[in-house]
Amino acid sequence: QTVVTQEPSFSVSPGGTVTLTCGLSSGSLSTTYYPSWYQQTPGQAPRTLIYNTKIRSSGVPDRFSGSIVGNKAALTITGAQAEDESDYYCVLYMGSGGWVFGGGTKVTVL
Amino acid sequence: QMQLQESGPGLVKPSETLSLICNVSGGSITGYYWTWIRQPAGKGLEWIGRIYDNGVTMYNPSLNSRVTMSVDTSKNHFSLRLNSVTAADTAVYYCARERWLEEFDYWGQGTLVTVSS
Repeated sequence: QTVVTQEPSFSVSPGGTVTLTCGLSSGSLSTTYYPSWYQQTPGQAPRTLIYNTKIRSSGVPDRFSGSIVGNKAALTITGAQAEDESDYYCVLYMGSGGWVFGGGTKVTVL
Repeated sequence: QMQLQESGPGLVKPSETLSLICNVSGGSITGYYWTWIRQPAGKGLEWIGRIYDNGVTMYNPSLNSRVTMSVDTSKNHFSLRLNSVTAADTAVYYCARERWLEEFDYWGQGTLVTVSS
């Protein structure tokens, strides 16, 4: 089964920019995988940040953006704030295999 | 505002069946996919499967032989059954609404299910 890969952790300074990526253990990722990104803080259900590669979900600040970079999906936080310190998950649609989540990236803002 | 609420036993014995219900309020269950997602403590999210309002299902291939989902549109709820559970099935179980191929836009608060004798 194809594994969805994410960086385990990232650190960013307040006001800085960080780009998280989401890839496949084999093959190239494209928009046909409908990549989406979720943010989760401890004890809470995840919430959508980005879906269909680059569409920002309702109420999500515009400092969050999604794209395809090379053969990976990417989530960029531009002007990181303290409240962005969270776990971030990408999820891809594998057709008959349904949705597959990446392992998550823990972002620290310091 | 749509709300989802998981309910069911918090403790299940090994080899038995885990059963959860997700009650949907503030909106109709028809016209959407409904999903179960789980998360072991300190670990990542795992998609378990989805069901449409007409009962059509799709399951995670790794769980396919043990999972059954059903929907009751008259009660506005859907359910999950996972049989032959082991300690590896201990997790917080979330129900969520899927806007098809877009996002999981509404989530329950999650319910912890522990598999232990």
